[in-house]
Amino acid sequence: QVQLVQSGPEVKNLGASVKVSCKASGHPLENYAIHWVRQAPGQGLEWMGWINAANGDTRYSQSLQDRVTFTRDTSANTAYMELSGLRSEDTAVYYCARPEGECSGGVCRMAWYFDLWGRGTLVTVSS
Amino acid sequence: SYELTQPPSVSVSPGQTAKITCSGDALPNQYAYWYQQKPGQAPILLIYRDSERPSGTPERFSGSTSGTTVTLTISGAQAADEADYYCQSVDSTDTYVVFGGGTKLTVL
Repeated sequence: QVQLVQSGPEVKNLGASVKVSCKASGHPLENYAIHWVRQAPGQGLEWMGWINAANGDTRYSQSLQDRVTFTRDTSANTAYMELSGLRSEDTAVYYCARPEGECSGGVCRMAWYFDLWGRGTLVTVSS
Repeated sequence: SYELTQPPSVSVSPGQTAKITCSGDALPNQYAYWYQQKPGQAPILLIYRDSERPSGTPERFSGSTSGTTVTLTISGAQAADEADYYCQSVDSTDTYVVFGGGTKLTVL
């Protein structure tokens, strides 16, 4: 079964870092891009950026580029999102999502929509 | 930064037609996509490339476009369609993904 399996909920203190994982099941991670999207409680969806799992190239949203890092471990078929300098407004559900299309080396021929989503990981930033 | 604008809420009676709009300057040149999200769940792709339906999307959901506005139409709305709906696109440089603020659909 093709799916994205995310890690469990996290509670972190202000200023700490959090690392969320997204494991691809039923398909090879390295053939795809993985995007990250977050949703604060009661709020809308916010795109965070994406990683080319074939070569590790990344693109970050302008609002988060100073604090977020995407990585991947192709041997573990897993992508990671790390957010540092946590603030109360970072409390949110974090989703990984896969767009249609594939990546090969430095080129991703992908669509800009997401037909496969993880179930989300709740990150709570506590003061 | 680029923005997509949706109405915060739309209400419809069961069996009637609901329309949810999404406006953005780049939409004449970029595809729009629609997602449905129910409480506690991840979003589900509903419409892609303005008007295409993935397998699994009921035929009562349709998408259309006119200039800088795209519209999601739900014909014969059902109670099960109560959810938040998000439009999504990409900026004119094909660099940054953007979501609309979301529309809460109430069927009553």
